[in-house]
Parts: sequence; structure tokens; C-alpha cells
Amino acid sequence: GAVVSQHPSWVICKSGTSVKIECRSLDFQATTMFWYRQFPKQSLMLMATSNEGSKATYEQGVEKDKFLINHASLTLSTLTVTSAHPEDSSFYICSASDRDAESYNEQFFGPGTRLTVL
Amino acid sequence: SQQGEEDPQALSIQEGENATMNCSYKTSINNLQWYRQNSGRGLVHLILIRSNEREKHSGRLRVTLDTSKKSSSLLITASRAADTASYFCAPDETDKLIFGTGTRLQVFP
Repeated sequence: GAVVSQHPSWVICKSGTSVKIECRSLDFQATTMFWYRQFPKQSLMLMATSNEGSKATYEQGVEKDKFLINHASLTLSTLTVTSAHPEDSSFYICSASDRDAESYNEQFFGPGTRLTVL
Repeated sequence: SQQGEEDPQALSIQEGENATMNCSYKTSINNLQWYRQNSGRGLVHLILIRSNEREKHSGRLRVTLDTSKKSSSLLITASRAADTASYFCAPDETDKLIFGTGTRLQVFP
């Protein structure tokens, strides 16, 4: 149980285009989803926290207009990188947790999406 | 926000040896979690230890927590080549995990 999927697993796009990444919890209701980015050989940096049905809370330094997050249902959150540039190339990882569950502290991670902006 | 700081940054050992990784953090926590990441993949949750616990076991994993020193350790016993990965600690203060830079473990067969 507690499986989180991401789609696509990798994407290559031209500079200036927008890219949408989906994060789905397959077998549980994710009241909260988190979005991280990770540069090579570095740690995961939390970008934002989203609760189902409400606006995402962004970490300091993360542009909310550039990284649009939607969490419209208990099983789906999307991250849209708008007007992507080469410096946005990174590994984006989502995670999900169920605050109503006994294991609410645990986050279940997706496999990640590798974004390359040319 | 706070960050777990892992030590060492990299560790190379032979199969069968034990691997110990340490983590330090800065403020009070509700719990501390350890995760594993294979190269280019997502994270796998290994173990969660609550602030009122001092030690926890899961298979070949042993985690300790010392809240007075704000530190934790992860011990992998009888390591295997398949244990090769990066290991991250993540102190949980307000249901938000802030990951450290991780320990890159290489286990040679």
C-alpha cells in the first residue's frame, strides 16, 4: 500500500514552454502533498506544501507564479512549471501523506520527474 | 525551518560490514525520519522514531535518538551491495520534513 506515482517520469522541453507534472496517490487519500526539487548530488529542497482544496504554501524563495500547484482532489496534485528556463532543469519529487491516518507523519514519495529544459 | 545534517557525507565499506550514519538537528522535533534514495529515484521511507523514543529496530536497521544532544544515528548491520544508496535524515517539527544533504553509502561486494 501507500503508492505514489508521478507522470511523466522524464520530460524534455524548449525554453519558454510550460510543463505539468502529476502526482497521484494510488491507494490512499492524500490530504497533504509536498513538492520537492533536487539538483544532482544535493538534498531535496521543499518547494511547497498543498492541502486538498486550499492554496499551496510556498517555501521562501520559491516563486508561486512560476511553480503553479493545484491539489483539487484527495488523490491528485499537479505542479506546472511555467515559462520554463534551463535553470529550472531538475529532479522534481512529490510526496503525500494522510493527516487523518495513524501514520500521518510518514510521507510517501513518488519516483520523481526529471525535467530538462533546452 | 531546520535541517538535518548527516555525517559522514560519503562512506565506503565492504559487504558484511556495518555502516553508521549520524544526523544532527537544531530545534525541538516531534519525530525524526530516515529515508533512502537510490540514484535518480524517489525516496523510500525506512524508519520513524518519535521524540519520546530512544531506539528503534527494523530488520537490519537500528536507529537511535538523543534529544538532549539533538542527534540521531542509523546503523545498517551486515551490509549488502544492494544497500548502496544515499541516506537522508529528516527532522519533523511541524509536519514538514527538511532534508539534510545525506550520506552516500557505497557497499562493495
